[in-house]
Amino acid sequence: DGGITQSPKYLFRKEGQNVTLSCEQNLNHDAMYWYRQDPGQGLRLIYYSQIVNDFQKGDIAEGYSVSREKKESFPLTVTSAQKNPTAFYLCASSIGVYNEQFFGPGTRLTVL
Amino acid sequence: DQQVKQNSPSLSVQEGRISILNCDYTNSMFDYFLWYKKYPAEGPTFLISISSIKDKNEDGRFTVFLNKSAKHLSLHIVPSQPGDSAVYFCAASSGEGGSEKLVFGKGTKLTVNP
Repeated sequence: DGGITQSPKYLFRKEGQNVTLSCEQNLNHDAMYWYRQDPGQGLRLIYYSQIVNDFQKGDIAEGYSVSREKKESFPLTVTSAQKNPTAFYLCASSIGVYNEQFFGPGTRLTVL
Repeated sequence: DQQVKQNSPSLSVQEGRISILNCDYTNSMFDYFLWYKKYPAEGPTFLISISSIKDKNEDGRFTVFLNKSAKHLSLHIVPSQPGDSAVYFCAASSGEGGSEKLVFGKGTKLTVNP
């Protein structure tokens, strides 16, 4: 079954700790994305990658970092520099950057 | 500056009636529009799309209408069912250069009452 997996579904961290969210896809998609959703807000783009070893900042990249060493994987690190990290994080992928995106189930990060 | 706007944060309709969700955009370069449906604590799922060369696209109970001159699109759900209760996101992109990405609205929460 092709799809996007995100793990874990719920994540708790202490303030000041870095944390890495996993995103894996087996759809053979070139493009991958990370979004953040807050209550009452739409999806805000953090980072996206059009191809392996390349990624671009989205609208709210500060305090986040990514890597794209493999086509299937696009992990997101939430650093201690992110002022308000508690949110629902969504990973997505698409054939290209202007095709429909397919989303993973999301990870809810709570920083205590 | 919000390029994709969904001005109604919520909508409530009766089962069996029509649901109309609206979306406005400001960027005239947008040429591809999508609707996503999202349940709580889940990722959005793609629902229907429309290219700017069309003004209507239909898929079962879902129809999307595009009015380019007004920079407005709408999603019609007929008949509405309780399982349609979710948050609906409108998204837009420009295919120019192939380097643009989707821009999402803030979503409209649809509640279909039995």
